[in-house]
Amino acid sequence: EVQLLESGGGSVQPGGSLRLSCAASGFNFNTYAMTWVRQAPGKGLEWVSVINANGDSFFYAESVQGRFIISRDNYRNTLYLQLSSLRADDTAVYYCTKDWHPSGSTFGPDHWGQGTLVSVSS
Amino acid sequence: QTVVTQEPSFSVSPGGTVTLTCGWNSGSVSTTEYPAWYQQTPGQPPRTLIYNTNIRSSGVPDRFSGFILGNRAALTITGAQTEDESHYYCLLYVGGGIWVFGGGTKLTVL
Repeated sequence: EVQLLESGGGSVQPGGSLRLSCAASGFNFNTYAMTWVRQAPGKGLEWVSVINANGDSFFYAESVQGRFIISRDNYRNTLYLQLSSLRADDTAVYYCTKDWHPSGSTFGPDHWGQGTLVSVSS
Repeated sequence: QTVVTQEPSFSVSPGGTVTLTCGWNSGSVSTTEYPAWYQQTPGQPPRTLIYNTNIRSSGVPDRFSGFILGNRAALTITGAQTEDESHYYCLLYVGGGIWVFGGGTKLTVL
């Protein structure tokens, strides 16, 4: 069974940093692209970033470009998202997702984790 | 900036059929945008219904179907049930490695 377990969320002041982790199990982690999606309180879903299976290709939403860094450790079966220069509008539940296609490139999320809440306020 | 559009709300009677659609401001949606559909109820993570236009995710009932309808992606629920009352989001690949979600459709079943 595919399991995705996010951690690392919490409260942080504007301008601060956090690192989110997503521990994956139940599938061959190193053959799937992985994506972060976030959802601000009471709002819709926002695609944040994707990384390919090898970890050498990644893309970001314009809203986080230059502030967030996605990475992965295929030995530890873990996905990461480093959040920096955080702003109030980064407050959201951050979801880790697994792609549906085992090609290593992204064709869209299938499985979702339960999410971890990041709250940015002074 | 790419904008993906969905109907803000829709209503269907139990047992009825409803079609939600998804478009974007860059022209027609086709299979090359790999449209996907997600269902979300309050307090829960999203659940994948459809990916790659028309492939149902594991465990999704066959009353949910995805397809291209004219110049938009579409999700049809045939024989709607009360538990289908949820928010529905579409996701499109817009190129350059970037994906964009639509704003979501709130579906009421009554």
